[in-house]
Amino acid sequence: EAGVAQSPRYKIIEKRQSVAFWCNPISGHATLYWYQQILGQGPKLLIQFQNNGVVDDSQLPKDRFSAERLKGVDSTLKIQPAKLEDSAVYLCASSYGTPINPEAFFGQGTRLTVV
Amino acid sequence: LAKTTQPISMDSYEGQEVNITCSHNNIATNDYITWYQQFPSQGPRFIIQGYKTKVTNEVASLFIPADRKSSTLSLPRVSLSDTAVYYCLVGDPPNQAGTALIFGKGTTLSVSS
Repeated sequence: EAGVAQSPRYKIIEKRQSVAFWCNPISGHATLYWYQQILGQGPKLLIQFQNNGVVDDSQLPKDRFSAERLKGVDSTLKIQPAKLEDSAVYLCASSYGTPINPEAFFGQGTRLTVV
Repeated sequence: LAKTTQPISMDSYEGQEVNITCSHNNIATNDYITWYQQFPSQGPRFIIQGYKTKVTNEVASLFIPADRKSSTLSLPRVSLSDTAVYYCLVGDPPNQAGTALIFGKGTTLSVSS
């Protein structure tokens, strides 16, 4: 079974620039998550999709961050404009979200450095 | 969502059994307890999930007392490759809207030879 694919793996941008991350979840997974993980901290949930609808985006800084999941499959996360404090690893995860298959599978993440 | 408290770090030696305890005093009736493992430069990986009593799989065991206010992840005979951060998550069970996954600070386990 193919895993969660994310691209790019690394990105370096200057502050105030824009950046986009892409995630392709495991086939058949209805639930998709985006997390931000700052070095030394646990992953922080940014947004959760169920199919192409948003379940939770309460911690997404909506003035600069946006995310979409068109057709309920792939997803993109965008930051515009980036700030220095956005430097982090951005993780995408997906799951069936059912009692029989509760586990979420994570991609390797995109490491963003804002200079 | 119930708040979780774990030790920040633990040290062990190869071959020993490691028990990591997570406190969740405000756990709700419907909440499940889930543990994830994260290696450096990788995303977290699901280890085990339980609701009450004991759950065992090929990797670990999860012990949950009757009051469910805490849980203990048990790793038998750890090896150097078990050095990682371990996260305890408490939240809604999987439902039609998907499972809520809220991570805390985790426990950094260091295994030495």
